[in-house]
Amino acid sequence: GAGVSQSPSNKVTEKGKDVELRCDPISGHTALYWYRQRLGQGLEFLIYFQGNSAPDKSGLPSDRFSAERTGESVSTLTIQRTQQEDSAVYLCASSPRTAYNSPLHFGNGTRLTVT
Amino acid sequence: DQQVKQNSPSLSVQEGRISILNCDYTNSMFDYFLWYKKYPAEGPTFLISISSIKDKNEDGRFTVFLNKSAKHLSLHIVPSQPGDSAVYFCAASASNTGNQFYFGTGTSLTVIP
Repeated sequence: GAGVSQSPSNKVTEKGKDVELRCDPISGHTALYWYRQRLGQGLEFLIYFQGNSAPDKSGLPSDRFSAERTGESVSTLTIQRTQQEDSAVYLCASSPRTAYNSPLHFGNGTRLTVT
Repeated sequence: DQQVKQNSPSLSVQEGRISILNCDYTNSMFDYFLWYKKYPAEGPTFLISISSIKDKNEDGRFTVFLNKSAKHLSLHIVPSQPGDSAVYFCAASASNTGNQFYFGTGTSLTVIP
């Protein structure tokens, strides 16, 4: 079956512009996560959705970052007024159930470069 | 604060030999641990996991060992194959962390033919 799909795969934007990153999770997966990986660093948790609600937004770095999920399906991560430190690979993952012991299925990521 | 640490950024092993990847954690509340494998330009893929009620879990060539008293886990790959060359991430979670998974910084494994 289809895996987690993310678009675009690459995005180059100028500092100060807004960007939207899209994630299509595996059909039927209840939980959806956003992580980012900066160069040479580990995966940094951003936000988690259970259905369409986000019980945990603790990882969002600033109020320039927001995310939403609709129809218990597609999610968009929006970064406003992008800064160079936002450059990273943004990874989306989904899981069939919202449980701490349910492994995540990752997409291939969106590589964001802010110039 | 990095709660999951992989102190070896890279590891090289000859084909056929054992690869041992290590991971340390600081949060004693973690009770579920996972290993993910990542190829370039792809997302991480789940490899193997272990619950804190066990100290070993085996799946084919892959075995994960957990030492709770030392807050240490390791992934053994034997025999290593060139296709195992990838970045390996250790991750941990706990039933009281709101479903968040904490990842290490990864170890790049190169298996030399």
